[in-house]
Amino acid sequence: QKEVEQNSGPLSVPEGAIASLNCTYSDRGSQSFFWYRQYSGKSPELIMFIYSNGDKEDGRFTAQLNKASQYVSLLIRDSQPSDSATYLCAVGGSSNTGKLIFGQGTTLQVKP
Amino acid sequence: EPEVTQTPSHQVTQMGQEVILRCVPISNHLYFYWYRQILGQKVEFLVSFYNNEISEKSEIFDDQFSVERPDGSNFTLKIRSTKLEDSAMYFCASSWGTGELFFGEGSRLTVL
Repeated sequence: QKEVEQNSGPLSVPEGAIASLNCTYSDRGSQSFFWYRQYSGKSPELIMFIYSNGDKEDGRFTAQLNKASQYVSLLIRDSQPSDSATYLCAVGGSSNTGKLIFGQGTTLQVKP
Repeated sequence: EPEVTQTPSHQVTQMGQEVILRCVPISNHLYFYWYRQILGQKVEFLVSFYNNEISEKSEIFDDQFSVERPDGSNFTLKIRSTKLEDSAMYFCASSWGTGELFFGEGSRLTVL
């Protein structure tokens, strides 16, 4: 069974701090990695994607990928109360059909 | 900005009834998906659809479920005989390639 694991949290950080969210996956053949944000009762919203080892930055967000360790992370700099949400890690399988396997999500609380 | 639209936003049905959930994917996208999320649980893959046929389906997607792209714009999920455990939020998603998926707002299905 291919799995994506996240700490469910909640992760609480003060406003302005860096939030660090982590994810591990089991399928070594995975080629694509995504971070989605989901507000309560809403649909997943794509924040970042990363396909290669290393870091990818987009504004306040940095995604990090280490395929050898089967580990993906998301850093949010200068966290804002509006960043409070559940962050879903999703991994594309090796089947090339576009299927994503989602983790349980980490709930982030940014306190003013 | 293009978006995936879903109807209805909420449907209540009796156990054993048929339901059809409708989606209009983003217009130039080629891959279409249905996911579901039971309250408090992970987003789960149901089915992917490409070139007018199912490209992959999960164990959840049994004979009760079917998908169709009846015209150039709509993508539907049919559940033939609903069960209590089918109660969930159903998300349609689309992508241009087997990369970033964009989700609709979801259709909440309540089976009584």
